[in-house]
Amino acid sequence: AQKVTQAQTEISVVEKEDVTLDCVYETRDTTYYLFWYKQPPSGELVFLIRRNSFDEQNEISGRYSWNFQKSTSSFNFTITASQVVDSAVYFCALSETGANSKLTFGKGITLSVRP
Amino acid sequence: DSGVTQTPKHLITATGQRVTLRCSPRSGDLSVYWYQQSLDQGLQFLIQYYNGEERAKGNILERFSAQQFPDLHSELNLSSLELGDSALYFCASSVGYQGQPQHFGDGTRLSIL
Repeated sequence: AQKVTQAQTEISVVEKEDVTLDCVYETRDTTYYLFWYKQPPSGELVFLIRRNSFDEQNEISGRYSWNFQKSTSSFNFTITASQVVDSAVYFCALSETGANSKLTFGKGITLSVRP
Repeated sequence: DSGVTQTPKHLITATGQRVTLRCSPRSGDLSVYWYQQSLDQGLQFLIQYYNGEERAKGNILERFSAQQFPDLHSELNLSSLELGDSALYFCASSVGYQGQPQHFGDGTRLSIL
């Protein structure tokens, strides 16, 4: 069965600090997809990134970067020079191929960025 | 704005009642998913439809049912409501069903009194 673990529950940083959100996953599939979503205080879920299991290249988008390592089953998310607007709950999720393409979410990490 | 529309945004009702949550997917998306977010269970998958057909089921209670209509909008029906059904219910949509990003609506917050 697929599983996503986000061991960190709450992180608090001061603005401009870098912060890394950890995600570890479990799956028996060789083809799968990993995602990060952001849930700001307003409550909506915002898609940030998707990675497939065959693409281990790191990705950078502005202040956001993602490190995917199959050897450790991890898909970590780093925010550089954090801002107050980054305060939110961040979810890592996994989707397998096959009949059910549901997202299995981790418990989420609450990030608070203080001015 | 994700392009996924959910109505209503808030719903307050009593135990034993029945409610219907509505979702309009993004233009061009054929898959619709329903998720429940609660404090104790986190985000849980309920059910998926693709182009009008049920494709996958999660831990959806028998008191809950859903359907996707020919115009691709979807409804989630919750009946015999219990206090524990209070949660945020999200609809998401994607173009297909294999690993594509799911885009979420703003959710319907259901409160059972």
